[in-house]
Amino acid sequence: GAVVSQHPSRVICKSGTSVKIECRSLDFQATTMFWYRQFPKKSLMLMATSNEGSKATYEQGVEKDKFLINHASLTLSTLTVTSAHPEDSSFYICSASPFDISYNEQFFGPGTRLTVL
Amino acid sequence: AQSVTQPDIHITVSEGASLELRCNYSYGATPYLFWYVQSPGQGLQLLLKYFSGDTLVQGIKGFEAEFKRSQSSFNLRKPSVHWSDAAEYFCAVGGASGGGADGLTFGKGTHLIIQP
Repeated sequence: GAVVSQHPSRVICKSGTSVKIECRSLDFQATTMFWYRQFPKKSLMLMATSNEGSKATYEQGVEKDKFLINHASLTLSTLTVTSAHPEDSSFYICSASPFDISYNEQFFGPGTRLTVL
Repeated sequence: AQSVTQPDIHITVSEGASLELRCNYSYGATPYLFWYVQSPGQGLQLLLKYFSGDTLVQGIKGFEAEFKRSQSSFNLRKPSVHWSDAAEYFCAVGGASGGGADGLTFGKGTHLIIQP
């Protein structure tokens, strides 16, 4: 149980285009989903927290107009990188927290490798 | 602000030897602590977690960690490493506001190398 998927696993795009990454909780409902970014040989950094049906909360320094997050259902959150540039190239990882609020745990997706040319 | 420090960027251990990876955290409330492992190009796998109770927690793959509040530490240990343990290890801290999960703060990771 507690499986989170991401699609696509890898994407290459041209500079200036937009890219959408999907994060799905496959066998549970997630009231909260998180988006992280991981630079090469670096730690994961929390970008934003999204709650189903409400606006995402972005961490300081993360451009909300560049990284659009939508959490339209209890099993799906999307991250859209708008007008992507080479500096947006990174490994993006989502996680989802179950609706059961008896404990705090997140389940991570396998990640999406974005390369902007 | 919360933070996690993993002082060792790289650690090299001989196969069969014991392992300890260090983690120190700073958190304003009762922390939830996690250790994750990441193999090259892969996502994160949870090794173990501490929420409350017994300060020595057992995880998967023979790993354990001990929460020491007085030292703000949550070190990861394994009595005998295997070549397949070579990977990147991340310590993370989080909490629960309003009963729901908070985003995690990760350390910079420790790269574990296993010598034959």
